[in-house]
Amino acid sequence: KQEVTQIPAALSVPEGENLVLNCSFTDSAIYNLQWFRQDPGKGLTSLLLIQSSQREQTSGRLNASLDKSSGRSTLYIAASQPGDSATYLCAVNGYNFNKFYFGSGTKLNVKP
Amino acid sequence: KAGVTQTPRYLIKTRGQQVTLSCSPISGHRSVSWYQQTPGQGLQFLFEYFSETQRNKGNFPGRFSGRQFSNSRSEMNVSTLELGDSALYLCASSLGDGVGEKLFFGSGTQLSVL
Repeated sequence: KQEVTQIPAALSVPEGENLVLNCSFTDSAIYNLQWFRQDPGKGLTSLLLIQSSQREQTSGRLNASLDKSSGRSTLYIAASQPGDSATYLCAVNGYNFNKFYFGSGTKLNVKP
Repeated sequence: KAGVTQTPRYLIKTRGQQVTLSCSPISGHRSVSWYQQTPGQGLQFLFEYFSETQRNKGNFPGRFSGRQFSNSRSEMNVSTLELGDSALYLCASSLGDGVGEKLFFGSGTQLSVL
């Protein structure tokens, strides 16, 4: 069974810092990987979707990388802002329609 | 374009009761997936519906069931509620014609079982 791990569980940084969130998965036979953001009491918002054949995907200040063979992905956030404070989750899909396996998330706090 | 709508937003039930949650997907989306989110287990996949058929199922007991209507709206039902069913239930919609699609989530239904 696919296991997805995210480290660290929580992170606090001052505004303006660049930061990296980590995601690892045990089964490398994935179709793609998706990074989400969740604000308190809210649903999830998809940030980036990276296919297994891709190495990187970028959107604004966000950059996701994928190393399928080693079972790792990172989410890089440049020039962090207080509005980036949220929980970030990664999820992998194993060629099974829209069934995703989620990590437990990294709770990010960006201090003004 | 309206987002994914889940109703009700909050529910309080007692053990042994049953509950029905509703999800209206984004217009044009034909796939609806359901997830359970708890502090201890995180997000866990319940099931996925596409064109009124369940095409994916997670590892939950038979007390958890769902259905999808011809307009793609979906409901999930939990019978004989247990304390451990207290959770945030999230639904997500997607186009449905592919694999590993971008998911659009609703705000969830917070279920408390007393």
